[in-house]
Amino acid sequence: KAGVTQTPRYLIKTRGQQVTLSCSPISGHRSVSWYQQTPGQGLQFLFEYFSETQRNKGNFPGRFSGRQFSNSRSEMNVSTLELGDSALYLCASSPLWAGVSSRSYEQYFGPGTRLTVT
Amino acid sequence: KNQVEQSPQSLIILEGKNCTLQCNYTVSPFSNLRWYKQDTGRGPVSLTIMTFSENTKSNGRYTATLDADTKQSSLHITASQLSDSASYICVVPTGYGGATNKLIFGTGTLLAVQP
Repeated sequence: KAGVTQTPRYLIKTRGQQVTLSCSPISGHRSVSWYQQTPGQGLQFLFEYFSETQRNKGNFPGRFSGRQFSNSRSEMNVSTLELGDSALYLCASSPLWAGVSSRSYEQYFGPGTRLTVT
Repeated sequence: KNQVEQSPQSLIILEGKNCTLQCNYTVSPFSNLRWYKQDTGRGPVSLTIMTFSENTKSNGRYTATLDADTKQSSLHITASQLSDSASYICVVPTGYGGATNKLIFGTGTLLAVQP
């Protein structure tokens, strides 16, 4: 079974531009979450999508948005890029939104997209 | 405030030695705690998931312990190998059951295993 794939792997943008990152979950997984990882803040939750609906959102400004398609693939968009947006953006997929056992929480991370804003 | 704190921040050990990493959490409600291993430039990989009723769980040379009363967990690595060099992250999800996949991450412990 193929793992979580993210494209592109590396990206360089300039301040003020916008960027779209893509995530393809493991086949059969319906939940996709996005995270930002920086040396100073560590890993922080951005948002989670399930069945094309945003289910949870972290504490990030409205410049960060996302969406999920009917095939569970997800995209994340950052508008008006700032230098502080330079980070590793990780996508994670999991099988379900609802569950009663700890296994329902298992998330599988992709390799990430390294975004550099200059 | 939901928080996960880890210690030490970094650790250097010699190949073949054992080490223990610590995690303290103040996440409520609590349902489970996870340890992830993250190699440089790659996504985190799950090592163990422990529910509140589990005290100890092993995965090869990795053994995690959980004390839900004191809200502490530890990850013990036995007979370390060079490939164990990575960041180890303690993670606690918020919410019960499947209500959320929102994860609270610790800042991680950077482990370097030297020959």
